[in-house]
Amino acid sequence: DAMVIQNPRYQVTQFGKPVTLSCSQTLNHNVMYWYQQKSSQAPKLLFHYYDKDFNNEADTPDNFQSRRPNTSFCFLDIRSPGLGDAAMYLCATSRGTGTSGNTIYFGEGSWLTVV
Amino acid sequence: KQEVTQIPAALSVPEGENLVLNCSFTDSAIYNLQWFRQDPGKGLTSLLLIQSSQREQTSGRLNASLDKSSGRSTLYIAASQPGDSATYLCAVRHGAAGNKLTFGGGTRVLVKP
Repeated sequence: DAMVIQNPRYQVTQFGKPVTLSCSQTLNHNVMYWYQQKSSQAPKLLFHYYDKDFNNEADTPDNFQSRRPNTSFCFLDIRSPGLGDAAMYLCATSRGTGTSGNTIYFGEGSWLTVV
Repeated sequence: KQEVTQIPAALSVPEGENLVLNCSFTDSAIYNLQWFRQDPGKGLTSLLLIQSSQREQTSGRLNASLDKSSGRSTLYIAASQPGDSATYLCAVRHGAAGNKLTFGGGTRVLVKP
């Protein structure tokens, strides 16, 4: 059974129209991550939550925001999508941090197309 | 800044041959290294996790080694099968709180029947 679930799997949005991607997990992990992966490129970390603490990567555009209302759910909001934001967005979870050496689990990804 | 490189970028082998995938990283201050598999259009599936204190991990036909001091890891897949065709990514966990996971560009593998 899927442990990290992303919805929708495929999203088409218009240029500049806000879009929200969701992620839920059944693992009760306290850390949740959002990555952006463009075609044939490595996933790039946008931000992560450690419990309720939000950690933004320095080079993540302001256009990208996130919410984590509870342990199980995390949302990625793109306020004004541009053509360059078309990508697959991956949600991931882990227990603790890297210092505890735990495996990171990824969802199936959400494909975003901007038209 | 941590940088992760995977060579080769693509690999094509006949079925039954052993696969050797290489991963190198520039900063040896890592907590662990994880190998993932990614099928086209799909998310990442974790294959093996090697802690920084370990030298290797094995799971079935997969064996991964880690030489932290030289910044290298190798993934071996024995007796390859067409179902092994996918992109394989390595990622190192690092940073002050270990919350940064930096990926290599991946090796795209094709196993021909």
